Amino acid sequence: GNSVTQMEGPVTLSEEAFLTINCTYTATGYPSLFWYVQYPGEGLQLLLKATKADDKGSNKGFEATYRKETTSFHLEKGSVQVSDSAVYFCALMEYGNKLVFGAGTILRVKS
Amino acid sequence: DAGVIQSPRHEVTEMGQEVTLRCKPISGHDYLFWYRQTMMRGLELLIYFNNNVPIDDSGMPEDRFSAKMPNASFSTLKIQPSEPRDSAVYFCASSPVGTNIQYFGAGTRLSVL
Repeated sequence: GNSVTQMEGPVTLSEEAFLTINCTYTATGYPSLFWYVQYPGEGLQLLLKATKADDKGSNKGFEATYRKETTSFHLEKGSVQVSDSAVYFCALMEYGNKLVFGAGTILRVKS
Repeated sequence: DAGVIQSPRHEVTEMGQEVTLRCKPISGHDYLFWYRQTMMRGLELLIYFNNNVPIDDSGMPEDRFSAKMPNASFSTLKIQPSEPRDSAVYFCASSPVGTNIQYFGAGTRLSVL
């Protein structure tokens, strides 16, 4: 079946550090890929997405590129802020609007 | 729009009691999803509806769980009888047709004692 694997957290960084959160997926076809973010006490919200190979999703300084050859969709940001502290979920959608989520990665940014 | 609205935000109940969680999707959205989030199992899709019709309930854990969508603006997830292992955060999400973006509510934190 389809699955998503994320790097385990928590990831702890100092403000202005570079962020990478690894995400790889297993799917039978060519799914759409997503990053969702969950701030404390809130529901998930879409951060960015990519629908086909080599697409780059970007939003709020975050980027991720759909790599079919490595089945990956790593999340990056050049300079994190304290306000980026949250849980980040990688997810795929192959059919029927069903999202399959990774386990989530906690990011903590220290000032 | 106010977004997806879930109620209650917190629910504490005793084992064996019936629990009903409520969701109001974003107006005009055709899809509605119920998820459960736990530390052990992460985010799991329980069931989803399209135009008020249940499409896939394969994630519903057992017969104690049931979900309904009597109209386009309201859905319920019921657990009867509740058990301590049902303790989790339950999210509702909705999505408009023609897009694959889901919009999540703030969730209901359920504690079954």
